[in-house]
Amino acid sequence: DTEVTQTPKHLVMGMTNKKSLKCEQHMGHRAMYWYKQKAKKPPELMFVYSYEKLSINESVPSRFSPECPNSSLLNLHLHALQPEDSALYLCASSWDSTNEKLFFGSGTQLSVL
Amino acid sequence: QQQVKQSPQSLIVQKGGIPIINCAYENTAFDYFPWYQQFPGKGPALLIAIRPDVSEKKEGRFTISFNKSAKQFSLHIMDSQPGDSATYFCAASSYSGAGSYQLTFGKGTKLSVIP
Repeated sequence: DTEVTQTPKHLVMGMTNKKSLKCEQHMGHRAMYWYKQKAKKPPELMFVYSYEKLSINESVPSRFSPECPNSSLLNLHLHALQPEDSALYLCASSWDSTNEKLFFGSGTQLSVL
Repeated sequence: QQQVKQSPQSLIVQKGGIPIINCAYENTAFDYFPWYQQFPGKGPALLIAIRPDVSEKKEGRFTISFNKSAKQFSLHIMDSQPGDSATYFCAASSYSGAGSYQLTFGKGTKLSVIP
């Protein structure tokens, strides 16, 4: 299994809602990542978990809260988002945190109204 | 200094042509250079990658050429097909300290291969 599975594929939420994005991989990878991608732009790193510990937080607003319950799962909790947070949110994993051979999921397309 | 400059922004070639996408960097600490391919509605997928100790790497129809002295690298797609139409991102990685690595993406090239 060489897939990174993300749910949901699409999400529409209001600015007062709380929602969560989920990501799962069963490749035994020890590093997992959250990226944000705006249309026609490259992915921007948000968070990195290495061996289930948060190792990088790229100055992301606190309305985004990551969680890594175990080595196969990664969540992104969303609260009080702004319309400018609308984007494709990508999860990725790799064997370790050296950024080599990242496997990306298909993403969650988020719209904030 | 952490930038990776990618060109062109968009590229149209006929089937069978050889599109070439170029990237340039300044940071000599970069030591791993991957290329990612992204189709609409999908996440990026690793296509091919190279380290600076080799000048060329070929995998199937995809070739990376690397010029360490010029700090440039490029992707060539041989015998391009309409199915290669996608956005291509170059990237560069370096160690940023405390066990962390930084991956910097180029801005992307939208390739269209017309029949």
